Amino acid sequence: NAGVTQTPKFQVLKTGQSMTLQCAQDMNHNSMYWYRQDPGMGLRLIYYSASEGTTDKGEVPNGYNVSRLNKREFSLRLESAAPSQTSVYFCASSEPGQGSSTGELFFGEGSRLTVL
Amino acid sequence: RKEVEQDPGPFNVPEGATVAFNCTYSNSASQSFFWYRQDCRKEPKLLMSVYSSGNEDGRFTAQLNRASQYISLLIRDSKLSDSATYLCVVHGGTSYDKVIFGPGTSLSVIP
Repeated sequence: NAGVTQTPKFQVLKTGQSMTLQCAQDMNHNSMYWYRQDPGMGLRLIYYSASEGTTDKGEVPNGYNVSRLNKREFSLRLESAAPSQTSVYFCASSEPGQGSSTGELFFGEGSRLTVL
Repeated sequence: RKEVEQDPGPFNVPEGATVAFNCTYSNSASQSFFWYRQDCRKEPKLLMSVYSSGNEDGRFTAQLNRASQYISLLIRDSKLSDSATYLCVVHGGTSYDKVIFGPGTSLSVIP
């Protein structure tokens, strides 16, 4: 099993360009997430999808859109990239555990995005 | 105040040493607690969950103090392979957006 697969792994954009980060998981998980990681900030949630057909904003959604294409795939789109979006982006998936637990988060290898 | 705070580090320790990491959280309604490990330029991976009674996994021991809103991770007999960043993760409630990651503490184990 591949787990969580993200593409591309590296991307350089110019300010104003658009791009889509792709994410797919083969663990049949219901929940999927997009995080960004910046030095000293920890991982911050951009958007999440609790189940197929639903998406919700996280802590830092501005400048991003998402699509939960099906149970396997959850894409993140930057419509007009800005230098402040230079970051490492991680996709993750999980299967809710007992009670309110989200269950263990399984991450992709990350996508390193630079916006010039 | 950040929702989850950790010792900034870095911690540089010799092989065989015992090292402890601290984490505090601000939301008293938090329900679940975890330690994740992140190797340089890699994705985070679950190290262990943290239970109220404390739990141990080999050389790793995690403790939770709900009254003080404090979590700890103790690593005994440090190995070179323990070098990584350790992330404290707190689940604040029933909503998925309430999984909060601390900024991480960097550990380097030196030969």
